[in-house]
Amino acid sequence: EVQLVESGGGLVQPGGSLKLSCAASGFTFSGSAMHWVRQASGKGLEWVGRIRSKANNYTTTYAASVRGRFTVSRDDSKNTAYLQMNSLKTEDTAVYYCTRCEDGAAAADFDYWGQGTLVTVSS
Amino acid sequence: QSALTQPRSVSGSPGQSVTISCTGTSSDVGGYNYVSWYQQLPGKAPKLIIYDVNKRPSGVPDRFSGSKSDNTASLTISGLQAEDEADYYCCSYAGEYTWVFGGGTKLTVL
Repeated sequence: EVQLVESGGGLVQPGGSLKLSCAASGFTFSGSAMHWVRQASGKGLEWVGRIRSKANNYTTTYAASVRGRFTVSRDDSKNTAYLQMNSLKTEDTAVYYCTRCEDGAAAADFDYWGQGTLVTVSS
Repeated sequence: QSALTQPRSVSGSPGQSVTISCTGTSSDVGGYNYVSWYQQLPGKAPKLIIYDVNKRPSGVPDRFSGSKSDNTASLTISGLQAEDEADYYCCSYAGEYTWVFGGGTKLTVL
């Protein structure tokens, strides 16, 4: 059974940092691209960032709204992806999902999703 | 990158068909055949129902179909059922290894 389990969410002050984790099982994690997608309360989905596999040099890309503040990484030995969030803003408040995708250059088939973890940025 | 444009809501009666549109630009929807659709039930994670414009993952009923014309992608649900009531999101590759989602459409089964 495929599982993606996010953790690390919580309450953080504006300007603060938080690191989310996404533990994967049930599929070949090392060969997959891992994405992060967020959803503010009552709002739509927003793509955040991606990390490709080792075969593709762990290449990362980010949405303009988080570029320079967020970093996606992975540890294939632990089957875990991470989202390091720095310089957090109130508008970063959302449920953050990790999701898996085929490691094609432009593939958009996010076939497995975690349950999400809530990040609240507030003073 | 602006979100793709979807109608806020659509509705239909059981057994009917509904179509949800997803309009982008030549830089996203119109430029690539990497459009996917997701169904999200309240309080749940999204579920992939269409990828690569018109392909269905295993286990997704063939009542769900996708298509694309120019800068607009469409999701059609035929033989509408009560359990289809959910939010639906489109997603497209947007170039430079970025992706963009639509604003979401709430489907109500009357």
